[in-house]
Amino acid sequence: GENVEQHPSTLSVQEGDSAVIKCTYSDSASNYFPWYKQELGKRPQLIIDIRSNVGEKKDQRIAVTLNKTAKHFSLHITETQPEDSAVYFCAATGANNLFFGTGTRLTVIP
Amino acid sequence: GAVVSQHPSRVICKSGTSVKIECRSLDFQATTMFWYRQFPKQSLMLMATSNEGSKATYEQGVEKDKFLINHASLTLSTLTVTSAHPEDSSFYICSARDIEGGWANYGYTFGSGTRLTVV
Repeated sequence: GENVEQHPSTLSVQEGDSAVIKCTYSDSASNYFPWYKQELGKRPQLIIDIRSNVGEKKDQRIAVTLNKTAKHFSLHITETQPEDSAVYFCAATGANNLFFGTGTRLTVIP
Repeated sequence: GAVVSQHPSRVICKSGTSVKIECRSLDFQATTMFWYRQFPKQSLMLMATSNEGSKATYEQGVEKDKFLINHASLTLSTLTVTSAHPEDSSFYICSARDIEGGWANYGYTFGSGTRLTVV
């Protein structure tokens, strides 16, 4: 199956700074890469996703980049706000199953 | 959008008993459902994939006789934790695919999760 690695495991940034989370995947057949934000004890919330035929996608303060050759993708959050503090998971899927990275706990310091 | 209803949200059971968790797709037909387990401060680990009308496919290391999955209809999948032990205490969450729902989220919709505590 797919193996998704995520770094860093924890990240602290000052409010207004940018945050970058990186993931790598192992299965070259994977073609969909979503990012989720999870509050404690709640379901993951999709914040942005990208397909393998696209190299970059942006939605306001959030952007995702994908390098299929290197099999890595990254989440970029600009102008961070305290409400961005949460655990973020990357994921990858090919035909069906969705495999998650290990998570990054982002703390935005006011 | 697609909604998946998961019940119960919390359950406490005695060691040795069985617990059933239900996931229902409310406004779409889910031919495939996924079951995840999440231990505190860890990631979501895929346990099994269930397809309507056929046997579930379990990930390596997941005991299929302990975690019984039934996907008898296009809108309902159940996970039964049999002979539960304290080490089974975890957050269990399902996900269903709404393939007809378009690209918005590639069809993955999550239930609200079940916090299982085995005492």
